[in-house]
Amino acid sequence: GAVVSQHPSRVICKSGTSVKIECRSLDFQATTMFWYRQFPKQSLMLMATSNEGSKATYEQGVEKDKFLINHASLTLSTLTVTSAHPEDSSFYICSAPPGAGHKNIQYFGAGTRLSVL
Amino acid sequence: KNEVEQSPQNLTAQEGEFITINCSYSVGISALHWLQQHPGGGIVSLFMLSSGKKKHGRLIATINIQEKHSSLHITASHPRDSAVYICAVATGANSKLTFGKGITLSVRP
Repeated sequence: GAVVSQHPSRVICKSGTSVKIECRSLDFQATTMFWYRQFPKQSLMLMATSNEGSKATYEQGVEKDKFLINHASLTLSTLTVTSAHPEDSSFYICSAPPGAGHKNIQYFGAGTRLSVL
Repeated sequence: KNEVEQSPQNLTAQEGEFITINCSYSVGISALHWLQQHPGGGIVSLFMLSSGKKKHGRLIATINIQEKHSSLHITASHPRDSAVYICAVATGANSKLTFGKGITLSVRP
C-alpha cells in the first residue's frame, strides 16, 4: 500500500538552531501534504497545508516565517522549524492524500519528535 | 466545545473483552477516520468511512451520519491493542482533518 516516509524520527537540538523535517510519498504523487503538531496529551492540530509548486497555507496562529514549508516536488514536502526554542518541542507529523479518485484518504508519516534544549 | 469529542479519556479493559470507543462530532463531514497511535507516536489509519459499517479483522467501525456519531469496536481484545485511538473528521474539499483528543486504551493480560 501507499507509504509516507517522514525523517528524522527524533531530533534533539539546541535553542536557536533550525531543524528540517522531510515528508516523502514513496509510491504516489502528493500535490498536497498536511503538517500537524501534537503537544503532550493534546490532539493533533493542523499547522499548514503544503501545496506543490505554490505557497503553503497556514492555519491561524501558526507563524509562516517560523515554520517554513517547501513542496518543490510531487513526492517531497519539508518543514523547517527556524530558530527553534523549547516551546517548539513537540511531535510533528505529516500526512498526504493520494490524489484524485481517493478523496478523503490520508496516509500518515511516522512522525518526528523534536526536543529543543 | 470541540468539534470532535471522544470519551472517556482513558479506558482499561481485560484481555478478551469487547471494547467500544465512541466519537461524536458537531460539524458536517465528508468522512470520518479512526486512527491508532502507539507510544512511539506513529499513526496508523484504521478506517475511513462516510456511511454504514466497515470491518477489518477484530476491528469494526460504524457511523451514523444523522446522529453525528461513530463507534470503533474491538472484539477479543489483546494487550497489543493498547494504544491511543483517535477519531478525526474530514471537512471541506481539501481533506483537512479535525482530530479528537484520543482515547488511551490499556488492555491488561
